[in-house]
Amino acid sequence: ETGVTQSPTHLIKTRGQQVTLRCSSQSGHNTVSWYQQALGQGPQFIFQYYREEENGRGNFPPRFSGLQFPNYSSELNVNALELDDSALYLCASSSGGWRNEQFFGPGTRLTVL
Amino acid sequence: QQQVKQSPQSLIVQKGGISIINCAYENTAFDYFPWYQQFPGKGPALLIAIRPDVSEKKEGRFTISFNKSAKQFSLHIMDSQPGDSATYFCAARIQGAQKLVFGQGTRLTINP
Repeated sequence: ETGVTQSPTHLIKTRGQQVTLRCSSQSGHNTVSWYQQALGQGPQFIFQYYREEENGRGNFPPRFSGLQFPNYSSELNVNALELDDSALYLCASSSGGWRNEQFFGPGTRLTVL
Repeated sequence: QQQVKQSPQSLIVQKGGISIINCAYENTAFDYFPWYQQFPGKGPALLIAIRPDVSEKKEGRFTISFNKSAKQFSLHIMDSQPGDSATYFCAARIQGAQKLVFGQGTRLTINP
């Protein structure tokens, strides 16, 4: 059984640019959630995708958007990057919508200069 | 109201000792309380979880104690080992919602 994978591992962007982060869910999981973890903080919920539809969103602006594909992999897109967007972006997968435990990937470290 | 407050921020325990991390919440609509362990450069890994109809759950050296009336829950690590050195997060999920609300984290160091 393959766990949750994310790419790239690290990314450096400049303010105003756009970025796309990718996540492959664990085998058998149809739900993907994205979290932002600032340095020294707990993860903050961005949004969740269930069967290719957005299924809940946290307190993040519209420039954070996502997508889920038929194979349940997912992308997180961030437009007009700001310095405060520098963080570890975590993807978590689960099965059966919101009911089951979420399993996290290793994250993508984004640095915005 | 959707916050989970975690303490202490950092904790140093001698090998073989008991590590205790506490969390408190306000929202009575939380229905699931997991604990995650995170090593540097890795994503959080689910350690143990409890639902509010249970007062205690034990898995190996890890125990969650849950006090529904006080709206508090804690993680106890018995016989703490250097390999337990990591950052621990408590979390809570609102009934019917999709997101986990995380505490600020506790950096645990086990001295050999």
